[in-house]
Amino acid sequence: DVKVTQSSRYLVKRTGEKVFLECVQDMDHENMFWYRQDPGLGLRLIYFSYDVKMKEKGDIPEGYSVSREKKERFSLILESASTNQTSMYLCASSSSQTDTQYFGPGTRLTVL
Amino acid sequence: LAKTTQPISMDSYEGQEVNITCSHNNIATNDYITWYQQFPSQGPRFIIQGYKTKVTNEVASLFIPADRKSSTLSLPRVSLSDTAVYYCLVGGGSSNDYKLSFGAGTTVTVRA
Repeated sequence: DVKVTQSSRYLVKRTGEKVFLECVQDMDHENMFWYRQDPGLGLRLIYFSYDVKMKEKGDIPEGYSVSREKKERFSLILESASTNQTSMYLCASSSSQTDTQYFGPGTRLTVL
Repeated sequence: LAKTTQPISMDSYEGQEVNITCSHNNIATNDYITWYQQFPSQGPRFIIQGYKTKVTNEVASLFIPADRKSSTLSLPRVSLSDTAVYYCLVGGGSSNDYKLSFGAGTTVTVRA
């Protein structure tokens, strides 16, 4: 079974703090994704990566950056957290052979 | 990029068949259609994926007409445990030309 893990289930940070969200997958997948999920808006893609050190902007990259130094790990960085970044953050991975994404359990981030 | 539209909610009763239709008028030639199920406090879970015509697995069927501008997820004989949010995802591509669009999700409530 594919396993995607995220570093925290719940996180509370203050406005202006730098926030790191970590995601690790164990299936040697080439693609990794970061989404945020908000009520009524579904899942919106922030960034994705199709290879180590490669990244592409999704639909809502503003205020976020990412890092992929190793194939199994994809980090989402909020350089200076703001209250409007309070959300559920979901990581996913997929093989380059299929478009089936496997999701982690999510991190609920609250920015005060 | 295909804009993906699906109903906000649907109600059903145990033992009935539930059909959820997703509209994706601008689907691209290389886009796949994938459906996910999400329970509260969990990440989305893959249900089924298709490209055209009909696909069936042990939990659902996916019907895709010839023009591929819509797709219908069919859940046969639902039970209370099928109460969840169902997302339609349209996307595909390769490497840095990867495009995808999630619907906003359909909340399916199954009653006894």
